Amino acid sequence: SYELTQPPSVSVSPGQTASITCSGDKLGDKYACWYQQKPGQSPVLVIYQGTKRPSGIPERFSGSTSGNTATLTISGTQSMDEADYFCEAWDSNPPHVVFGGGTKVTVL
Amino acid sequence: VQLVESGGGLVQPGGSLRLSCAASGFTFSSYSMNWVRQAPGKGLEWVSYISSSSGIIYYTDSVKGRFTISRDNDKNSLYLQMNSLRAEDTAVYFCARDLRVRGTTVLDYWGQGTLVTVSS
Repeated sequence: SYELTQPPSVSVSPGQTASITCSGDKLGDKYACWYQQKPGQSPVLVIYQGTKRPSGIPERFSGSTSGNTATLTISGTQSMDEADYFCEAWDSNPPHVVFGGGTKVTVL
Repeated sequence: VQLVESGGGLVQPGGSLRLSCAASGFTFSSYSMNWVRQAPGKGLEWVSYISSSSGIIYYTDSVKGRFTISRDNDKNSLYLQMNSLRAEDTAVYFCARDLRVRGTTVLDYWGQGTLVTVSS
């Protein structure tokens, strides 16, 4: 079945840029989404269709896709961005939703 | 938009539970819905999808034949009937609204989750 691979952790200094990758076969064709989840809270959609940002999500969050990789970039990272981030994609054969294993972002 | 899950609790292996998700603040009948679960300390795992009219339903392999998703658009409610529960079904269960963009899943609103614990 389809799999999405993320690094388990990413560390970033305040004000710097954090990049989180998500790899899967032909992921660039699948309109990946990204979700932020803080401890004890429900996930929040931060990027959809690979590059689009929902209303209310800060501009420092951006997404890109290329080939087999989707990337979530947090520019000017703030302490409030410390969270787990999950990528997600829909695979049609068979029809199912796939989540990556998640990346813990630590702001040092 | 508000999604409120209920029905979780402690159940013995082999037992059953029915989860509910009460929706408000949007036209429930216009949206597909999903159940997603998260085992303690683990990542997100998709469980099931139902289209707006209930005409299309999908499940992850591990729950096929044991779980049944359904909805009542008149009551603005989503359900998950869980039978033959196993220890590995222990998780927080979230309901999530699906924007369904270009035939792909976009979970734009999530409930707060309800904890299901399967243990003797």
